[in-house]
Amino acid sequence: SQQGEEDPQALSIQEGENATMNCSYKTSINNLQWYRQNSGRGLVHLILIRSNEREKHSGRLRVTLDTSKKSSSLLITASRAADTASYFCATYSGGYQKVTFGTGTKLQVIP
Amino acid sequence: DGGITQSPKYLFRKEGQNVTLSCEQNLNHDAMYWYRQDPGQGLRLIYYSQIVNDFQKGDIAEGYSVSREKKESFPLTVTSAQKNPTAFYLCASSGRAGTGELFFGEGSRLTVL
Repeated sequence: SQQGEEDPQALSIQEGENATMNCSYKTSINNLQWYRQNSGRGLVHLILIRSNEREKHSGRLRVTLDTSKKSSSLLITASRAADTASYFCATYSGGYQKVTFGTGTKLQVIP
Repeated sequence: DGGITQSPKYLFRKEGQNVTLSCEQNLNHDAMYWYRQDPGQGLRLIYYSQIVNDFQKGDIAEGYSVSREKKESFPLTVTSAQKNPTAFYLCASSGRAGTGELFFGEGSRLTVL
């Protein structure tokens, strides 16, 4: 089952603009993670935010988490053509629980 | 360099044949996972293993089998019972206790002819 639903499914922006992707999930979590996938490649971990955190930054990435609404957002600032990829949120409920992925947002950054 | 190696990268199979996808990691991670990805879709969990000689079914285990005889290795067999096996298969491992942070291989693309 898919834990997360991501919005939008696809996003096209100009280089230099900001990109915002949203993720909603259904059950309680230990943490929420964001991954990036270039076409035909494996996923790469970008950032993790714990359930007791509300915001986290890493370089040009900003993640927010609202556990009351069971939602998260990923903001990529000053986008570059190299940011073109699919972005997935994933939730982890702790212990020996599995990591469950959302449906992904396909981002295209136009040079 | 430490990482996860999946092989083969591309595999073609005739209907009715079993195939085995290899996944090896040298990260000394305890947990390993197999996901399936269909075009334009998210990842669905097939099997996962938290420790050697133990594994659990994920959401779509039917038609698949795994083994975990060594910490470094977690091969996936796609059997003839899997009705729609054409997909992109991703192996991952996790070692940071209590975070679920995953490290992925580059994937294996299976096409049934």
